[in-house]
Amino acid sequence: DTEVTQTPKHLVMGMTNKKSLKCEQHMGHRAMYWYKQKAKKPPELMFVYSYEKLSINESVPSRFSPECPNSSLLNLHLHALQPEDSALYLCASSRGNMGDETQYFGPGTRLLVL
Amino acid sequence: SQKIEQNSEALNIQEGKTATLTCNYTNYSPAYLQWYRQDPGRGPVFLLLIRENEKEKRKERLKVTFDTTLKQSLFHITASQPADSATYLCALGESGGYNKLIFGAGTRLAVHP
Repeated sequence: DTEVTQTPKHLVMGMTNKKSLKCEQHMGHRAMYWYKQKAKKPPELMFVYSYEKLSINESVPSRFSPECPNSSLLNLHLHALQPEDSALYLCASSRGNMGDETQYFGPGTRLLVL
Repeated sequence: SQKIEQNSEALNIQEGKTATLTCNYTNYSPAYLQWYRQDPGRGPVFLLLIRENEKEKRKERLKVTFDTTLKQSLFHITASQPADSATYLCALGESGGYNKLIFGAGTRLAVHP
């Protein structure tokens, strides 16, 4: 199984809502990532988890809160988002984090903040 | 400032021809470079990786070159097919960087029958 799954596929939320994005992989990978991608722009790294510990936070606003409950699961909790946060949120995983590792991406969650 | 530049205009080619996509970078010292394919509304899919000490890598109809002097990678698709139509992203990785990838904006390739 070389698949990364993400739920939901689409999400519409108001600026006062709290929601969560979920990502799952069963490849035994120990590194997991959250990226944000705006239309016609490259994916931008948000967070990296390595062995269930947060390794990188790319100065992401606190209204985005990542969580890695176990090695297969990665969540992104959303609270008080702004319309400019509307984007495709991509999750990825890799075998490790020692460099030059292939990243496997999920299909993404398309988020619209009203 | 640091930059990764890919052809911003779409590349239109005829089926059967070779597509060549360019990735130039400034003020990076990548230890490796990866190429991904992305279809609309989908996540990127890994294609090829090349390390700083490698000049060329091949996989089936795909070939990538890496010139650290010119600070450039070229990605070639030979005998292109309409199914190759997609956006192609290059991504740089620096050593000791927790496998952190920095993506270029991508080049959209359209292969016409």
